Amino acid sequence: KNEVEQSPQNLTAQEGEFITINCSYSVGISALHWLQQHPGGGIVSLFMLSSGKKKHGRLIATINIQEKHSSLHITASHPRDSAVYICAVTGSARQLTFGSGTQLTVLP
Amino acid sequence: ETGVTQSPTHLIKTRGQQVTLRCSSQSGHNTVSWYQQALGQGPQFIFQYYREEENGRGNFPPRFSGLQFPNYSSELNVNALELDDSALYLCASSYPGTGEKLFFGSGTQLSVL
Repeated sequence: KNEVEQSPQNLTAQEGEFITINCSYSVGISALHWLQQHPGGGIVSLFMLSSGKKKHGRLIATINIQEKHSSLHITASHPRDSAVYICAVTGSARQLTFGSGTQLTVLP
Repeated sequence: ETGVTQSPTHLIKTRGQQVTLRCSSQSGHNTVSWYQQALGQGPQFIFQYYREEENGRGNFPPRFSGLQFPNYSSELNVNALELDDSALYLCASSYPGTGEKLFFGSGTQLSVL
């Protein structure tokens, strides 16, 4: 069993839809990251969370430490949101462990 | 724009050769980590350097080694390349004051033939 599990693996949505990507982890963490990776490889850090909720524009990230679960929400999705979204956690050894990513495609 | 630059962007090597990948971070980014990302998979942690010392390592053999320099640049060296080393190699840096926010480079795509 992977230490970081994401769901769904693939997600196709229509422009304007509300999107949720889920992440569950099985280890103790000091932080959880949501990352966005576009074709070609570049990764952008969207959020870093250790508790509660953060919002940036149309993106919202939440984390429940007791349940070891986090969600990334995208409101009013747009085709430019199409990318791979990756959940990653920083464990006690400061090592970053990644989920396998969610491929999001937003259709116009 | 993350301020982290990797070079080269693409590289082709043959099995058994050695390769050096480079990463240039922003001034003050005293922590750098390297990751290997195979096609269709999430990145895997290779190692991390803090103030020029390795302070964490993933499940990679010793032929993967690294260096971090005082000018906030770093290197990933891979000896005796194998076909399975073909992947995207990413570096990420961070600096005090941002918690553990990471700044990623765009990666080096390595193909081993």
